[in-house]
Amino acid sequence: GQQLNQSPQSMFIQEGEDVSMNCTSSSIFNTWLWYKQEPGEGPVLLIALYKAGELTSNGRLTAQFGITRKDSFLNISASIPSDVGIYFCAGQLGSGGGADGLTFGKGTHLIIQP
Amino acid sequence: DAGVTQSPTHLIKTRGQHVTLRCSPISGHKSVSWYQQVLGQGPQFIFQYYEKEERGRGNFPDRFSARQFPNYSSELNVNALLLGDSALYLCASNREWWNTGELFFGEGSRLTVL
Repeated sequence: GQQLNQSPQSMFIQEGEDVSMNCTSSSIFNTWLWYKQEPGEGPVLLIALYKAGELTSNGRLTAQFGITRKDSFLNISASIPSDVGIYFCAGQLGSGGGADGLTFGKGTHLIIQP
Repeated sequence: DAGVTQSPTHLIKTRGQHVTLRCSPISGHKSVSWYQQVLGQGPQFIFQYYEKEERGRGNFPDRFSARQFPNYSSELNVNALLLGDSALYLCASNREWWNTGELFFGEGSRLTVL
């Protein structure tokens, strides 16, 4: 099956720093999404991308859908303590048919040192 | 409005037993998906149901089954439990089946198999 390679596995940064993480796949995806999960919670959708080359922002978060459809990145600017959590990329093969579900990466664990 | 609710939140079973997990989607959402999240990994797609019909299935054995009821709530059943079934089981809902990437997750049911 499809696999998503997400990096880095973990990040230790200072408050106020910018963060960058990415996700690559050997397969093409038609949708890329970024989710955040905090302890004891389910993942929460941050950004959804539907077109190759698309660049989308949500507050301090910016994500891009790679031109090849095989990669995506997420940037967080000026990190704050509440950004702590695990960030997952997810890809979907279909254009919304649902038959394939989402394929998730293994996550990037973001830790912020005050 | 209430989010996706799952029950039970935690449960412990022994090998060979059977388990039923329950999920109520957000009001107005007709599609329910189930994901398995093993510790340290991203969620893995098990099933998607829409209007009481199975619309998608991941790579899981036949010991896993699910159903959706007329009120759009759902049950996930796992028979003949194995140690490897220990995981967080996440339920997610969305309004229609064609927008399956943008999921709203519950907090999950944490299953421990001894």
